[in-house]
Amino acid sequence: AQSVTQPDIHITVSEGASLELRCNYSYGATPYLFWYVQSPGQGLQLLLKYFSGDTLVQGIKGFEAEFKRSQSSFNLRKPSVHWSDAAEYFCAVAVRNNAGNMLTFGGGTRLMVKP
Amino acid sequence: EADIYQTPRYLVIGTGKKITLECSQTMGHDKMYWYQQDPGMELHLIHYSYGVNSTEKGDLSSESTVSRIRTEHFPLTLESARPSHTSQYLCASWGAYYGYTFGSGTRLTVV
Repeated sequence: AQSVTQPDIHITVSEGASLELRCNYSYGATPYLFWYVQSPGQGLQLLLKYFSGDTLVQGIKGFEAEFKRSQSSFNLRKPSVHWSDAAEYFCAVAVRNNAGNMLTFGGGTRLMVKP
Repeated sequence: EADIYQTPRYLVIGTGKKITLECSQTMGHDKMYWYQQDPGMELHLIHYSYGVNSTEKGDLSSESTVSRIRTEHFPLTLESARPSHTSQYLCASWGAYYGYTFGSGTRLTVV
């Protein structure tokens, strides 16, 4: 079964600084890859996704992620963090061609932004 | 714009009560899912459906049940709520373009 690891449980960055959130997955083939953001008490909002093609994916709110097959990674980046980016971030994978396309989530990374 | 709706957003209910959490989507997706999110943030799949009259249990054992009588509707029911059911419940559907779309969630507290 696939698994997803987000090594950083908490990250604190200063406003305006760059950000990278790490995500590694374990699966025999290339799955569908996602990053979601969750604000307190809210549902999950899709930031970006990778299905195939260009390995550098642009998302909403200025986020991007790069799929690196050799490293089984899908790290999320943002060049300049805003205070409103403080939230929980989840990396997730869905197995291709699985009848259920079931999503497996990482444990999440809590981002805090210092003024 | 296509979307997925969950009601209620918040629910506080007494032990032993029967509750139904509603989930509806307007995208015509066949595949729908229920996830439970505990206070430690981790999300676990508890139910899924491939389409009308299809329901399956997910990775995390749950005392809840689901039904899928219509494509757009995937309600989750707890026959007798207990404090251990206190959690956030997220409904989702899968489509070829967006992948997973999630509802805003229902935060359930059983007292």
